[in-house]
Amino acid sequence: NAGVTQTPKFRILKIGQSMTLQCTQDMNHNYMYWYRQDPGMGLKLIYYSVGAGITDKGEVPNGYNVSRSTTEDFPLRLELAAPSQTSVYFCASGVGLSNTIYFGEGSWLTVV
Amino acid sequence: DQQVKQNSPSLSVQEGRISILNCDYTNSMFDYFLWYKKYPAEGPTFLISISSIKDKNEDGRFTVFLNKSAKHLSLHIVPSQPGDSAVYFCAATYHGSSNTGKLIFGQGTTLQVKP
Repeated sequence: NAGVTQTPKFRILKIGQSMTLQCTQDMNHNYMYWYRQDPGMGLKLIYYSVGAGITDKGEVPNGYNVSRSTTEDFPLRLELAAPSQTSVYFCASGVGLSNTIYFGEGSWLTVV
Repeated sequence: DQQVKQNSPSLSVQEGRISILNCDYTNSMFDYFLWYKKYPAEGPTFLISISSIKDKNEDGRFTVFLNKSAKHLSLHIVPSQPGDSAVYFCAATYHGSSNTGKLIFGQGTTLQVKP
């Protein structure tokens, strides 16, 4: 009964480093999303995917990249980390038309 | 441009009383609205939703009201319980040829229910 699983849960990066946040779901959902949550700012969509091999930008894509080679996995890549990328990152999945999406537990990232 | 707004960052109510959380939106294309609940160190979880063809949807202690003309929705929790203390996010989306299931979220309202 895993649902949406994100790793790592916590990470500290130095400015300029790169890393990948992993996300996998076992619900066979076609739609997957990456959101970030900043204090007082709600959840902002970074990237999304409507199926394997298809990705598109959300509201705040700069500084990030994604890939979707399988239905289950949707990793988020941070290149050249900046302090502005300090945030909590949530991966989510859904079936699209139902509009209910299911979130992972979050990944706390600090860039120093 | 904040298309979904929750203007009250926080709300405090007494256990047993009603909690009313408000949400406004600006995009008239939105036709489906959801409320998510988030506890600290956890991901948001779906709470209740409403389609624009309705003006009310009820699920147990939770009721969502939609006023399309005012572009306003509200979540009522009756009676409020200490376990309801969490951050509540309003979200909106629209169906269409380009529907991707994307949700646009408000900033969130932190509800504290005092015993």
